[in-house]
Amino acid sequence: QQQVKQSPQSLIVQKGGISIINCAYENTAFDYFPWYQQFPGKGPALLIAIRPDVSEKKEGRFTISFNKSAKQFSLHIMDSQPGDSATYFCAASMEYGNKLVFGAGTILRVKS
Amino acid sequence: DAGITQSPRHKVTETGTPVTLRCHQTENHRYMYWYRQDPGHGLRLIHYSYGVKDTDKGEVSDGYSVSRSKTEDFLLTLESATSSQTSVYFCAIRGNTGSLNTGELFFGEGSRLTVL
Repeated sequence: QQQVKQSPQSLIVQKGGISIINCAYENTAFDYFPWYQQFPGKGPALLIAIRPDVSEKKEGRFTISFNKSAKQFSLHIMDSQPGDSATYFCAASMEYGNKLVFGAGTILRVKS
Repeated sequence: DAGITQSPRHKVTETGTPVTLRCHQTENHRYMYWYRQDPGHGLRLIHYSYGVKDTDKGEVSDGYSVSRSKTEDFLLTLESATSSQTSVYFCAIRGNTGSLNTGELFFGEGSRLTVL
């Protein structure tokens, strides 16, 4: 049983468009929600993260939207670029990064 | 670069043989993790360590054991490898600022294991 459900599995977006990836969780004890980016042949790297006391966090072209009542959070990539083509993972934990539980991943391709 | 080295990076072995993967870190981080990555499953936690000789199970620990005899090394052992353990294995360390843990995990580049 997957504690964090991620969708879609794959996504194709035109250059300059908005990429949106969604995640849902069940465990209300989760208190830390990061997104990781992974390029082929590399390990995942932290992209952006949010705690449940805020509904939105923005860093450059990347924004996390968080809906505590719906137990959902999403990643928005504005002005998507070919260099953003990667696999994206949402994750959650109860202990600020310890024992992170990951979603299944979304393969993003940005067409130029 | 968080100073994480995984070895071997690639290994092909046969069913029933023991396999040990090594994770080495150079920055004295307390927390270390082993994850496996499989299509459709994302990354799943196998075992983790919160100090020398202090380890605990993750969600997919069956068939795996770990050891941490010194801060810098975290070993993952498959006592008798099975085909279902064919995967990419990632080691990670939990970042810290001084004595405070951060939420960020830093991952190694992975070890691709194929069990025939």
